[in-house]
Amino acid sequence: NAGVTQTPKFRILKIGQSMTLQCTQDMNHNYMYWYRQDPGMGLKLIYYSVGAGITDKGEVPNGYNVSRSTTEDFPLRLELAAPSQTSVYFCASSNTIRGNYGYTFGSGTRLTVV
Amino acid sequence: TQLLKQSPQFLSIQEGENLTVYCNSSSVFSSLQWYRQEPGEGPVLLVTVVTGGEVKKLKRLTFQFGDARKDSSLHITAAQTGDTGLYLCAGAGGDDKIIFGKGTRLHILP
Repeated sequence: NAGVTQTPKFRILKIGQSMTLQCTQDMNHNYMYWYRQDPGMGLKLIYYSVGAGITDKGEVPNGYNVSRSTTEDFPLRLELAAPSQTSVYFCASSNTIRGNYGYTFGSGTRLTVV
Repeated sequence: TQLLKQSPQFLSIQEGENLTVYCNSSSVFSSLQWYRQEPGEGPVLLVTVVTGGEVKKLKRLTFQFGDARKDSSLHITAAQTGDTGLYLCAGAGGDDKIIFGKGTRLHILP
């Protein structure tokens, strides 16, 4: 049972480039989330989804886009990378509304924008 | 705006000692979760507490939810080097939004 799988593990982007961070889960969870984690700043919610075809903005959505075409996959798209997007990105899923009883996190993608 | 404040921010102690870290808020939470995160990995759920005054034990770790459901503590007995990591608390508010504290970074010295 793989849980939540994120790829790639590391990536370096140049300013203005685009990329997609992949996230897939095999637990049949309806709820999925993207967070970014910056040193000393905790986890900030970027986007979330309550089911296939439904997405909504979190606390820090600017510069990102998401889609949810299947229950399993929730990719995060960066269109025009900026240095402020240098961070560690975590995907998570849960089987209850907004994860009230805990999230399962992926192992993260460390992104550097130069 | 709901905020979760974790203290201390950093803690470095010798193996075998006991310690307590705290998670405090002025807001009421319907549930509160504790996670441990190791370098290069995502947070891993340790426990969820939902009832005011609830105490849960996970081997040497004891978690308590405050009676008013505004705060929580994590006590570790006889700390081991394997307990080293970032401990995050996360609370679920009335609007079902989950907010995370900034964490306590714990370092257990051998």
